[in-house]
Amino acid sequence: DAGVIQSPRHEVTEMGQEVTLRCKPISGHNSLFWYRQTMMRGLELLIYFNNNVPIDDSGMPEDRFSAKMPNASFSTLKIQPSEPRDSAVYFCASSLDRANYGYTFGSGTRLTVV
Amino acid sequence: GDSVTQMEGPVTLSEEAFLTINCTYTATGYPSLFWYVQYPGEGLQLLLKATKADDKGSNKGFEATYRKETTSFHLEKGSVQVSDSAVYFCALSPPGGYQKVTFGTGTKLQVIP
Repeated sequence: DAGVIQSPRHEVTEMGQEVTLRCKPISGHNSLFWYRQTMMRGLELLIYFNNNVPIDDSGMPEDRFSAKMPNASFSTLKIQPSEPRDSAVYFCASSLDRANYGYTFGSGTRLTVV
Repeated sequence: GDSVTQMEGPVTLSEEAFLTINCTYTATGYPSLFWYVQYPGEGLQLLLKATKADDKGSNKGFEATYRKETTSFHLEKGSVQVSDSAVYFCALSPPGGYQKVTFGTGTKLQVIP
């Protein structure tokens, strides 16, 4: 199993540009989570999906952030327009049975907005 | 709501020292408990888990016991190595439904030779 795959690993963009982060969950997992990690705020849950349906997006910081999961094998997190304060590491995680097996995290996308 | 409290870091130990990282939780019902480890530049990896009271999770020499009476899940290792230097996160998962996992703030461990 290739694990959770995120792309790109690193992204540097200018303020105001659109950024799209991508995630491929583990095949068969039915839940997908987007997290953001910064030194100041730690690990924050942005949104999570169950069976491709968004269940809780209360962690999405503002309307500039949007996430989609068009099918069971792909999800995107989009920031438009991007701002310097969005600089962080963004993680995607997936799960089949979180109570017994927890989450499997991807390696993350390090986003730098200049 | 649910919460997880971890000891503040960083924790600095000499190689072969004994490690304890404290974790306590607040939750309704009987959550599952986890420890995750994050090495520099990587995502979080599941280290060990316990799904019911008095269960002991173990992996790579690390252990933690689910203590319902003290609502704790402390991480221990008898002899740490330099390669154990990482950030350790305690987490809980409520039973059933769409409840999400709650993570602690993480404890950075540095092991010096």
